[in-house]
Amino acid sequence: TQLLEQSPQFLSIQEGENLTVYCNSSSVFSSLQWYRQEPGEGPVLLVTVVTGGEVKKLKRLTFQFGDARKDSSLHITAAQPGDTGLYLCAGAHGANSKLTFGKGITLSVRP
Amino acid sequence: DVKVTQSSRYLVKRTGEKVFLECVQDMDHENMFWYRQDPGLGLRLIYFSYDVKMKEKGDIPEGYSVSREKKERFSLILESASTNQTSMYLCASRTEWETQYFGPGTRLLVL
Repeated sequence: TQLLEQSPQFLSIQEGENLTVYCNSSSVFSSLQWYRQEPGEGPVLLVTVVTGGEVKKLKRLTFQFGDARKDSSLHITAAQPGDTGLYLCAGAHGANSKLTFGKGITLSVRP
Repeated sequence: DVKVTQSSRYLVKRTGEKVFLECVQDMDHENMFWYRQDPGLGLRLIYFSYDVKMKEKGDIPEGYSVSREKKERFSLILESASTNQTSMYLCASRTEWETQYFGPGTRLLVL
């Protein structure tokens, strides 16, 4: 059972475009994390969101945690080729719970 | 900065060999995890550990074992490597606040 659905699975855009990707679940999470992974490397943590409705910004990346803490979105403004990678979201159900991972969104930003 | 290191970036082994993958974290985290990552299947949890000498099976433990003799070190063992264990192996450690950090990964090829 896929508890965290990420969409779209693949996205190819031109440099300078804006985009929004999604991470959805029917489960409530105590926190949710976003990672970016480049080919051949481990995932690198971008952000952790904890409070329902929370919005966090990381330069051109804006992360939002849904009010009900079941979903999250990532918006990238003026995408750059360096944003290319696999974006993973992961939800937690408490301090000692295993994280539930989505399968990821493969983003390609063309120069 | 949190640092999770893995002993090898690339490994090539023969079928039937015993394989050790080592992971070390420098942030005194209680929780450590081993995942494998395969195209189309996402991240799958093999084993995890909440404390020294403690281990729990993840979703796909068959063919693997683990060892946690010291808090900072979590080892994954393939008792008799098989070709279907060719994969990217990722170690992670986590704070009590649910934020999880990954190592750079070990790409294992079993011939």
